[in-house]
Amino acid sequence: AQKVTQAQTEISVVEKEDVTLDCVYETRDTTYYLFWYKQPPSGELVFLIRRNSFDEQNEISGRYSWNFQKSTSSFNFTITASQVVDSAVYFCALSEAFPNDYKLSFGAGTTVTVRA
Amino acid sequence: NAGVTQTPKFQVLKTGQSMTLQCAQDMNHEYMSWYRQDPGMGLRLIHYSVGAGITDQGEVPNGYNVSRSTTEDFPLRLLSAAPSQTSVYFCASSLTETYGYTFGSGTRLTVV
Repeated sequence: AQKVTQAQTEISVVEKEDVTLDCVYETRDTTYYLFWYKQPPSGELVFLIRRNSFDEQNEISGRYSWNFQKSTSSFNFTITASQVVDSAVYFCALSEAFPNDYKLSFGAGTTVTVRA
Repeated sequence: NAGVTQTPKFQVLKTGQSMTLQCAQDMNHEYMSWYRQDPGMGLRLIHYSVGAGITDQGEVPNGYNVSRSTTEDFPLRLLSAAPSQTSVYFCASSLTETYGYTFGSGTRLTVV
């Protein structure tokens, strides 16, 4: 069963537009962690953020912001005023204590293309 | 501090051949994992280790073996390569099970 669903396969925007990436997760555990990773065209995976299940505060880091809502099991990611360098595949991931011993489960990824 | 180093970066194998993908980290991380990335499927966990001498299977372990004799190294062995194993392979390490993982640059493997 898919534990992390990223419903948007591809998103294309013009530079300076905002873009929101959806992530819905499924878990029965009360202790879990959520992550976002970025994979630019060069192929490496870059860690962006980690959020634990007990901290529902939204977070902002520069042009990036994350909205965590346990009530809807969502951990959405927004890029404000997008730039060409934001073009990448973005992965949401879940780490839960039970039954997976905190192994990372990834969503299928969302490809973001920012056009100049 | 090199982080997570994977070798080789590219490899072409014939069906039935065996090979080892190397992974080394210099951050003294206990947790290490191997993933494969296929189009439209995200990253799927192959094998996992929580420390030297301890390994566990992930979601797609068939056709792969691992061992962890040292904290630094976590090689992935393909026993008898099949075209279905054509993929990009990533090794990752983490300080703890809940910390963010650091990924290597990947190995692109093609089995013909």
